[in-house]
Amino acid sequence: DAGVIQSPRHEVTEMGQEVTLRCKPISGHNSLFWYRQTMMRGLELLIYFNNNVPIDDSGMPEDRFSAKMPNASFSTLKIQPSEPRDSAVYFCASSGLAGGQFIQYFGAGTRLSVL
Amino acid sequence: AQSVTQPDIHITVSEGASLELRCNYSYGATPYLFWYVQSPGQGLQLLLKYFSGDTLVQGIKGFEAEFKRSQSSFNLRKPSVHWSDAAEYFCAVGSQAGTALIFGKGTTLSVSS
Repeated sequence: DAGVIQSPRHEVTEMGQEVTLRCKPISGHNSLFWYRQTMMRGLELLIYFNNNVPIDDSGMPEDRFSAKMPNASFSTLKIQPSEPRDSAVYFCASSGLAGGQFIQYFGAGTRLSVL
Repeated sequence: AQSVTQPDIHITVSEGASLELRCNYSYGATPYLFWYVQSPGQGLQLLLKYFSGDTLVQGIKGFEAEFKRSQSSFNLRKPSVHWSDAAEYFCAVGSQAGTALIFGKGTTLSVSS
């Protein structure tokens, strides 16, 4: 398997623009997670889905952030409008039950810079 | 509150020396514990995990970790560090149900020659 695939790897945009981050989870995994990594706050959960349904979105900072999972093989995280404080690395992870255990596998991340 | 503490922000170890990275957790349920490693510009790679059973777990790249329930700790060790081990290491705790992980702030490991 190719692992969790995120695109783009890098995104530079101007304040006020819409940004869409994409994630393809590992085939067969039924849970998908979006995390954000910053120097100040470390790795934090934004939202996670189970069987394409959002389960916990308590980490989504505000209404400017939205996430969707239209099917088992694709998810998006959208920021509209973007602000400089959204600059961070955004990771997608997926997990599925294997051997009675859930293990999260991470994508390479999207480094977002909002100018 | 549920949390993970990695007390050491940055550690420098000589190549060939032993390594121990500390991790303490606070978790209301049975903890499932993980160590991940992140190289610059890369995603997180799972080093090892503890779910149950033997409290000393072996991982990839020669790493091991010991779960000590009485101390709420899950320290990572390696007997002899290689220059390629320089990276950032994250301890995380989760639940059996496969919910989101709670991460520590990470420890950056530098290896000197």
